[in-house]
Amino acid sequence: DVKVTQSSRYLVKRTGEKVFLECVQDMDHENMFWYRQDPGLGLRLIYFSYDVKMKEKGDIPEGYSVSREKKERFSLILESASTNQTSMYLCASSTPGLVLFGPGTRLTVT
Amino acid sequence: TQLLEQSPQFLSIQEGENLTVYCNSSSVFSSLQWYRQEPGEGPVLLVTVVTGGEVKKLKRLTFQFGDARKDSSLHITAAQPGDTGLYLCAGVDQTGANNLFFGTGTRLTVIP
Repeated sequence: DVKVTQSSRYLVKRTGEKVFLECVQDMDHENMFWYRQDPGLGLRLIYFSYDVKMKEKGDIPEGYSVSREKKERFSLILESASTNQTSMYLCASSTPGLVLFGPGTRLTVT
Repeated sequence: TQLLEQSPQFLSIQEGENLTVYCNSSSVFSSLQWYRQEPGEGPVLLVTVVTGGEVKKLKRLTFQFGDARKDSSLHITAAQPGDTGLYLCAGVDQTGANNLFFGTGTRLTVIP
C-alpha cells in the first residue's frame, strides 16, 4: 500500500527550539512538498523539491529550511521555533497525475 | 501567489439535500483538483479536471471545470452524513512547475 508518512502526528515544542519534521514516501516520486494549513488560510506552500538535493521556496519560506538528501525523504526544519509557527504541517509527494498527502503533523509551539 | 476563493466557507445541511461548492480564481490553471480532508488526516484526492468545460461524476459528486479553466464547482446530490468533511480545490499552475495552489476550503456538515 503506497503511502506518505510523517514522523509525528502531534508535537509540542518550546519557543527557540530547533524542530525537525520528517516525511518519507515509498513511491519513488520525484516531487515532494511541505505545506502548512491554518484555519481560513487554506494550505500554503512552504518549500518543494523536484530532485535530490534540490529545493525551491514556496509562498511562505521565512523561518523554515528543508533538506532532501535522499529521494524518499524530505525534511522540514524550523531553525528557531516561534509561536506563529503553531500549525498543521502537511507533506505531499507527486508524480504527474498523482498527488498523495501524509497524515499531517500538528505542531504546537509554546 | 495565485488565489483561489472557495464559497461557502461553511455549510451545514440536512441529509438528503443537494449542495454546490464553488472555487473561483482570476488565474488560468492547467488543471484543477478537488480534495476531501477528514479531521486529523491529510487531504485525499477526489478528482482532477483538465479540459475547459469538463464534467466528471463520482457517484453522487459532480465536478465541473469552467470553460476558461479559472473556476470549478462541486455538486453533491442527496448528501449523506459520510460526506461531512473539508473540501479543498487546488489549481495546478501552467508554468510547468506543476505547483498546487489551494483554496481556503469549504467545511461541510451533513446532519442526519
